[in-house]
Amino acid sequence: EAQVTQNPRYLITVTGKKLTVTCSQNMNHEYMSWYRQDPGLGLRQIYYSMNVEVTDKGDVPEGYKVSRKEKRNFPLILESPSPNQTSLYFCASSSRRQGAEQPQHFGDGTRLSIL
Amino acid sequence: QKEVEQNSGPLSVPEGAIASLNCTYSDRGSQSFFWYRQYSGKSPELIMFIYSNGDKEDGRFTAQLNKASQYVSLLIRDSQPSDSATYLCAVNWAGYALNFGKGTSLLVTP
Repeated sequence: EAQVTQNPRYLITVTGKKLTVTCSQNMNHEYMSWYRQDPGLGLRQIYYSMNVEVTDKGDVPEGYKVSRKEKRNFPLILESPSPNQTSLYFCASSSRRQGAEQPQHFGDGTRLSIL
Repeated sequence: QKEVEQNSGPLSVPEGAIASLNCTYSDRGSQSFFWYRQYSGKSPELIMFIYSNGDKEDGRFTAQLNKASQYVSLLIRDSQPSDSATYLCAVNWAGYALNFGKGTSLLVTP
């Protein structure tokens, strides 16, 4: 089954304790992205990756890091989490085909609470 | 800043009616347009995508695109209570990145 898998689904942690949210896709997609979703603000892109070893900042990258060492994985790293990073996070992926961009497939989301 | 604008709603329609959801975008270079449905606390689910001017129909859903007016819409015919959700408009402008609108909340009343 084609899917984007995020872990963990829920996490409550404390300020300053480094954490990693993993994202893996089994569709051989080139493009992967991280979003956060907050009430009234919609989906905002944090980082994206167009292929292995190629990453770039989205609209709200401050406080986050990413890496893309393998095509299927795109972890999101919070080195020193703060309460303003409490949010619902989504990973997404899509393929790259000529002529038209393909829809993004989303993971089930990670609800993160930073105390 | 490339903007995607949607009316936040809620848009309330009776069961069986046509729901019309609208979206405008600021970048004339935008190429691909997507409609996602999102239930509360769940991930966005793709409903429709459209690349060319005109209408595209898929079951009860019709996407309409007018690039000259920078306008894309989603029509839902024979609306059902299960269609009650937030509908996100997304616009592709640079190959891969999607700009999302903040979504329109739809409520279908029995």
